[in-house]
Amino acid sequence: GQNIDQPTEMTATEGAIVQINCTYQTSGFNGLFWYQQHAGEAPTFLSYNVLDGLEEKGRFSSFLSRSKGYSYLLLKELQMKDSASYLCAVNGDSSASKIIFGSGTRLSIRP
Amino acid sequence: DTEVTQTPKHLVMGMTNKKSLKCEQHMGHRAMYWYKQKAKKPPELMFVYSYEKLSINESVPSRFSPECPNSSLLNLHLHALQPEDSALYLCASSQGGDDGETQYFGPGTRLLVL
Repeated sequence: GQNIDQPTEMTATEGAIVQINCTYQTSGFNGLFWYQQHAGEAPTFLSYNVLDGLEEKGRFSSFLSRSKGYSYLLLKELQMKDSASYLCAVNGDSSASKIIFGSGTRLSIRP
Repeated sequence: DTEVTQTPKHLVMGMTNKKSLKCEQHMGHRAMYWYKQKAKKPPELMFVYSYEKLSINESVPSRFSPECPNSSLLNLHLHALQPEDSALYLCASSQGGDDGETQYFGPGTRLLVL
């Protein structure tokens, strides 16, 4: 079966750092994505990992360990506009482009 | 241009109506997708078109009928929907439909079925 787990909600303070974890069990693995979704809006692409290690992109970094079925999204210098849901998604099927989304982590930033 | 557009933004329809959702991209992407998203839930894949051919149908009821007239356009025809079909319908596209490709989402159509 396919399963993707991430915390339902997190709260952090403006200017701080937060790490959102994601674990997955899938029949295959062809890459892991992180998307940001503001309420009522479409998901927007943040990062893609297919090899182990850390990918850094500005204030956002994403880490992958394939052997552990584990990823995290690290957000630095948090801003109020970072309040959103963060979706972990895995391409875990041999079918092309069939990605499965986790339930998302709703991140709230307080001043 | 990295934009996927969808029309309409909002749609209210009765259970006997027939309506269509439209999606367009001009990034030269050859794979396009329809997702359904209920409130506080993740997007759920409905259909995938790769090179204008339907490649994945996630056991979606026949009251949803996709159509890909050309490589830039994707439609979703709706007929005899149920109130539980009310949701945000998202279109996405990716470069060629191969594994591991980033999907870019449109703003979605918020559908209410009465």
